[in-house]
Amino acid sequence: EIVLTQSPDFQSVTPKEKVTITCRASQNIGSSLHWYQQKPDQSPKLLIKYASQSMSGVPSRFSGSGSGTDFTLTINSLEAEDAAAYYCHQSSSLPWTFGQGTKVEIK
Amino acid sequence: VQLLESGGGLVQPGGSLRLSCAASGFTFNTYALTWVRQAPGKGLEWVSAISGSTSSIYYADSVKGRFTISRDNSKNTLYLQMNSLRAEDTAVYYCAKDGLPYISGWYDCWGQGTLVTVSS
Repeated sequence: EIVLTQSPDFQSVTPKEKVTITCRASQNIGSSLHWYQQKPDQSPKLLIKYASQSMSGVPSRFSGSGSGTDFTLTINSLEAEDAAAYYCHQSSSLPWTFGQGTKVEIK
Repeated sequence: VQLLESGGGLVQPGGSLRLSCAASGFTFNTYALTWVRQAPGKGLEWVSAISGSTSSIYYADSVKGRFTISRDNSKNTLYLQMNSLRAEDTAVYYCAKDGLPYISGWYDCWGQGTLVTVSS
């Protein structure tokens, strides 16, 4: 099973700051890495697929990068509505697995 | 595109429950569907996936042999039959639509979730 490790687990950020969340895979997963946002009491929402492809309707301040074992989700100029948990997810090999999540809090 | 889960509730350890997920807004039999769960205050865990034709079905080791995923393409409904339930199965269960016709592993639409509580 591929283990995804996110860092940090928690981040408290002021609005307009840049946020960087990393996701490290226990083995090479190519670009089969996706990012989800889950706001409190809501279902997850797909932000980025295949490491860097933004989903339609996702604000341009969200971007993804990386390949192989190291991936990054970047939020440029954080807004209050971005307070959420963020999860990476791999679809390189079954069983699909998720990272443990990164909670982003607005100061 | 809409997914609406139902069937959650309180069940005793060892008991059974069947979850349903009613879909609308897309060509149901074209897309793979998945169940993902989230224990209270915890992260996401992939549970099971089924292709549009039902020819491919996969399970997480934690539920293999106890849970059965199925779908009725004539009713646009996905199911999860859960048997021999354990306390650690307590979670919100989400159904999710795969982004591609086959089991792709990424989900562009999620339901609102249904809570399953396993407790005596």
